[in-house]
Amino acid sequence: KNEVEQSPQNLTAQEGEFITINCSYSVGISALHWLQQHPGGGIVSLFMLSSGKKKHGRLIATINIQEKHSSLHITASHPRDSAVYICAVRLYGGSQGNLIFGKGTKLSVKP
Amino acid sequence: DTEVTQTPKHLVMGMTNKKSLKCEQHMGHRAMYWYKQKAKKPPELMFVYSYEKLSINESVPSRFSPECPNSSLLNLHLHALQPEDSALYLCASSYQRDTQYFGPGTRLTVL
Repeated sequence: KNEVEQSPQNLTAQEGEFITINCSYSVGISALHWLQQHPGGGIVSLFMLSSGKKKHGRLIATINIQEKHSSLHITASHPRDSAVYICAVRLYGGSQGNLIFGKGTKLSVKP
Repeated sequence: DTEVTQTPKHLVMGMTNKKSLKCEQHMGHRAMYWYKQKAKKPPELMFVYSYEKLSINESVPSRFSPECPNSSLLNLHLHALQPEDSALYLCASSYQRDTQYFGPGTRLTVL
């Protein structure tokens, strides 16, 4: 069983829809990251969370430490949001750089 | 400057060639990372440098040789690679154990 599970694996939405991507983990963590990767390469770090909720523009990330679960929400989705969204966790007490990645959720937003 | 740059963007090399990938950041980050990413898979950590010293080597074959000449620069020297080493190579940096900033990657093809 993977230590970081994301759902869904693939998601297709119409422009304007509210989108939720989920991440569950089975280990003790010190932080959770949400990353965005567009086709062709580079990764952008969206959020780093250790508790509660963070908001940036149309993106909202929440984490429930007790339930070992995080969600990434996109409000008023747009075709430019189409990308792979990756959840990654840093183990509690883990050494520097030791991120464990989920397999990613591929989001396609249709106009 | 909140950017991690990587050169070249694309590299095609034969199995007998020697080449190098370069990564640069000017954010004052003291941790730098190399990741390997195969298609439709999450990134895999290869190396971590902390304060210009190699702190993590994830059992990477010796045909990959990292180098950190100074706090802003990270190289990955490649020699006698195999076709299965073809992948996207991502560099990242962070201030200690904070958010990792990723570069755009170098897409490597080994013939």
